[in-house]
Amino acid sequence: QSVLTQPPSMSGAPGHRVTISCTGTSTNIGAGFHVHWYQQLPGTAPKLLIYDNNNRPSGVPDRFSGSKSGTSASLAITGLQAEDEADYYCQSYDSRLNIYVFGSGTKVTVL
Amino acid sequence: QLLESGGNLVQPGGSLRLSCEVSGFTFSKYAMNWVRQAPGKGLEWVSVISGDGARRYYAESVKDRFTISRDNSKSTLYLQMNNLRVEDTAVYYCAKEMPARRAFDSWGQGTVVTVSS
Repeated sequence: QSVLTQPPSMSGAPGHRVTISCTGTSTNIGAGFHVHWYQQLPGTAPKLLIYDNNNRPSGVPDRFSGSKSGTSASLAITGLQAEDEADYYCQSYDSRLNIYVFGSGTKVTVL
Repeated sequence: QLLESGGNLVQPGGSLRLSCEVSGFTFSKYAMNWVRQAPGKGLEWVSVISGDGARRYYAESVKDRFTISRDNSKSTLYLQMNNLRVEDTAVYYCAKEMPARRAFDSWGQGTVVTVSS
């Protein structure tokens, strides 16, 4: 059972927008800890997509954006492309458990 | 570059040591982590060690069974896994931590650990 909750799957047509939610609690996201997002393409290691809620590492397209409010965060993918088909995970820190925590993961399918 | 090795098939109750050789950055400056992914499942954080090796933390599921360590002279991270259980079966990734951000900005390709009789 993951500490951070994400929808198991989402889908969208090429060119459309999908928004993935990540819901936490007052001991992690709600406590002010940053949220980070990772993309995992099939058969590969995860890759950092967004750090500190809304910052993109160099090389990540600006089609990807993040936001955070209260005990939740979200990742938006605009102009959906076939290569965006992957699993996406949010991650933060939990002050009650004193551990890093991941979301349950969301599989994005491009129709 | 992060390159894991040491994954194997092991019986329940057995032991295994994973290694992660690092290149391309000053290893001793960064905290390093192990993250695992069971077959068909999501990511699970396992353990972290500070750059100087003085501080180590573990997930409850591996505490008292796994030990994280590092050799800064060899730019290598280790995970000693004892008393392995079937539920430890996973791909194990080493991951470099961004300073003061608790985010993982570089990952290895993973090494497979299978615990089965």
